[in-house]
Amino acid sequence: ETGVTQTPRHLVMGMTNKKSLKCEQHLGHNAMYWYKQSAKKPLELMFVYNFKEQTENNSVPSRFSPECPNSSHLFLHLHTLQPEDSALYLCASSQDVDSSTDTQYFGPGTRLTVL
Amino acid sequence: AQSVTQLDSHVSVSEGTPVLLRCNYSSSYSPSLFWYVQHPNKGLQLLLKYTSAATLVKGINGFEAEFKKSETSFHLTKPSAHMSDAAEYFCVVSPRAGNTGKLIFGQGTTLQVKP
Repeated sequence: ETGVTQTPRHLVMGMTNKKSLKCEQHLGHNAMYWYKQSAKKPLELMFVYNFKEQTENNSVPSRFSPECPNSSHLFLHLHTLQPEDSALYLCASSQDVDSSTDTQYFGPGTRLTVL
Repeated sequence: AQSVTQLDSHVSVSEGTPVLLRCNYSSSYSPSLFWYVQHPNKGLQLLLKYTSAATLVKGINGFEAEFKKSETSFHLTKPSAHMSDAAEYFCVVSPRAGNTGKLIFGQGTTLQVKP
């Protein structure tokens, strides 16, 4: 599946570092999403963007800062993270946000480890 | 409120035997329902979805699921398991009313396939 790509695939960072995750979708979709997948927990929706505008922030701490410069690209800027932020971060896209039948297509994820 | 419960956290079957992964949902409105699969170190891939058309939905790789409104269930089945089916499976609800792109994920079921 190459419709949604994510880089890097693995990232190790210290608590004082600043890093960014990148997501790109090649499907012509208008909506993009960030999810967090921790061990033993359901996927947690973090942010939703529709036509580059943020439409959902699911009470995410400010040390996570999303950016959506256009409908094809989504970034997640990270700074002063905590060890409990270690997880798999998944990006997804869909045609729109207002149709419950739309399929969300997922990228392979970035495995983040915070030391 | 909407929710989804996957009744088994772990299912183990022998290769060539049937697979049954159970999912119950709760929704105030008629929802859309999805099954996704996640292989190790990969993103989520859509197996199939129900969107109020036929109640028996056929997906990829021989999987199918039946929407039973009276039982609020959407169980995933496959007649004969293959070693490559070993993965994590997620049942997902997308509420119909006031949808904002939010998907509600189950906890996941790990499918083990023994030779």
